[in-house]
Amino acid sequence: QKEVEQDPGPLSVPEGAIVSLNCTYSNSAFQYFMWYRQYSRKGPELLMYTYSSGNKEDGRFTAQVDKSSKYISLFIRDSQPSDSATYLCAMSGGNNRLAFGKGNQVVVIP
Amino acid sequence: NAGVTQTPKFQVLKTGQSMTLQCAQDMNHNSMYWYRQDPGMGLRLIYYSASEGTTDKGEVPNGYNVSRLNKREFSLRLESAAPSQTSVYFCASSARTASNYGYTFGSGTRLTVV
Repeated sequence: QKEVEQDPGPLSVPEGAIVSLNCTYSNSAFQYFMWYRQYSRKGPELLMYTYSSGNKEDGRFTAQVDKSSKYISLFIRDSQPSDSATYLCAMSGGNNRLAFGKGNQVVVIP
Repeated sequence: NAGVTQTPKFQVLKTGQSMTLQCAQDMNHNSMYWYRQDPGMGLRLIYYSASEGTTDKGEVPNGYNVSRLNKREFSLRLESAAPSQTSVYFCASSARTASNYGYTFGSGTRLTVV
């Protein structure tokens, strides 16, 4: 079992819809959780960061962590064509090493 | 702009040729990393350097070597390129407390081995 599981299946949504992405993990030591956004032919960039369980909101983006279920989520409200990208989850137990999911391609259709 | 700079951006090699991918960061980060990204495989760690003077193998080190030249620069060398090394290569860096601030990635090097 990989440490981090993320369904890489492409996700197409109409503009204005809510996008819901998630990852599961197996390592109970993970405490730091992140989401990266990667546009085509670019490097990943840090989008959201959350420590331990709970929610964090930044504009149209909300990150949720449920440590009891080993499950994290990213929600994008009022999705825009500019949100079309691949989203990768990442997490760490504090040892300076990140474990990444495989990434989820999102296409927002105008 | 502050960040991670990778060169070259594109490269085509013939099987058996060698090359070095260059990476430099200007954020005074301690740790640096080399990843490859392939369709359906996600990011896979090749080598990393936790601090100047140290390097360690990651998940897929075979066929590669690295050099941490100084705190700013971390290079990746392919001694004898193989078609299986066709990929997009990303360099990243992080402060000592990477868990708090995450990694900063470069824009990548697209390598094709024919």
